[in-house]
Amino acid sequence: DAGVIQSPRHEVTEMGQEVTLRCKPISGHNSLFWYRQTMMRGLELLIYFNNNVPIDDSGMPEDRFSAKMPNASFSTLKIQPSEPRDSAVYFCASSSSGGPGYFGPGTRLLVL
Amino acid sequence: DAKTTQPPSMDCAEGRAANLPCNHSTISGNEYVYWYRQIHSQGPQYIIHGLKNNETNEMASLIITEDRKSSTLILPHATLRDTAVYYCIVRVANPKLVFGKGTKLTVNP
Repeated sequence: DAGVIQSPRHEVTEMGQEVTLRCKPISGHNSLFWYRQTMMRGLELLIYFNNNVPIDDSGMPEDRFSAKMPNASFSTLKIQPSEPRDSAVYFCASSSSGGPGYFGPGTRLLVL
Repeated sequence: DAKTTQPPSMDCAEGRAANLPCNHSTISGNEYVYWYRQIHSQGPQYIIHGLKNNETNEMASLIITEDRKSSTLILPHATLRDTAVYYCIVRVANPKLVFGKGTKLTVNP
């Protein structure tokens, strides 16, 4: 199994631009999570989906952030407009029926 | 989910066992103990989990006290590649994982 796949691995953009992060979960997993990691705040859960339905988005920082899961094999996290404080590593993870979560390699986002 | 307490850092000599403690005194009967680690710049990696009984896999052993208020992750023969931040997480069967600050383990040659 290829594991959780994230793209792009690195993204540099300018303030105000739209950023889209992508995730392909492990095949057969029915839960998907988006996390953000910074030095100051550590690993924060932004949102999680179960069977493609958003269950808990209480960690989404503000309306500039949105996440979708159109099908079981793909999810996006979008930031529009981006700000320098959004610079972080964004991780996607997936799990099956409450089992352990498996993380992707992350997308390193730098907003200038 | 119950809160966990871990020492911020630990050191271990290469080849020796690394014993990482975790306190979870408010754990309830249906909450599992999960351990993850994060090697620098990589995504967190699942290590092991348990409910009541001790568990062992190819990576580590998990010892949970009888009252379940604390646990220890044991890496039997630590290598330099085990240097990482180790997270102890307590959760019920729902899939949500909430990470604390973890323990930074440094394995020294």
